[in-house]
Amino acid sequence: DAGVIQSPRHEVTEMGQEVTLRCKPISGHNSLFWYRQTMMRGLELLIYFNNNVPIDDSGMPEDRFSAKMPNASFSTLKIQPSEPRDSAVYFCASSLNNQPQHFGDGTRLSIL
Amino acid sequence: KNEVEQSPQNLTAQEEEFITINCSYSVGISALHWLQQHPGGGIVSLFMLSSGKKKHGRLIATINIQEKHSSLHITASHPRDSAVYICAVRSIGADGLTFGKGTHLIIQP
Repeated sequence: DAGVIQSPRHEVTEMGQEVTLRCKPISGHNSLFWYRQTMMRGLELLIYFNNNVPIDDSGMPEDRFSAKMPNASFSTLKIQPSEPRDSAVYFCASSLNNQPQHFGDGTRLSIL
Repeated sequence: KNEVEQSPQNLTAQEEEFITINCSYSVGISALHWLQQHPGGGIVSLFMLSSGKKKHGRLIATINIQEKHSSLHITASHPRDSAVYICAVRSIGADGLTFGKGTHLIIQP
């Protein structure tokens, strides 16, 4: 079991650039979650998918953020255009039904 | 929206001490999770519970649904237990988690 795989591990880019974060959930899991962690706000849910369908995106900060899950083994979180306040660690997690969530190692994003 | 409060925010203790971390929440839940985050940043799920008590090695988690309160206990603490412990709840009718701010635990040898 490879676990949840996120890429890249680190991303440093200038404000205004498009950023794409990627996630491969554990095979067989049917729920996928994107979370953001900052010093000020801790961990927050951005969006989650059940069976590839977005269920709750109320945590997505604004229209600059978008997430897709084109198939059961891949999801992306995109920020366009990026801003310095988007700097955070972004975690992807997956689970099977209501079982415990498995977290990826996170992507540390720095927007200069 | 569920509000999750953890205490203490920071805790430093000596090796072998019995550790208790508390979590309270404001709205009914379907499950409560205890997570561990090490300095490297990775997050590991320790427990998921909706009633009673669970034990895994030196870790014990309890929950009181009526009082909307959970505790995480560590017996015979060890420096390798040093980490951030995060309480998270899944509200009824939702799948995503709402998190507490975490408890920074340091166990000194």
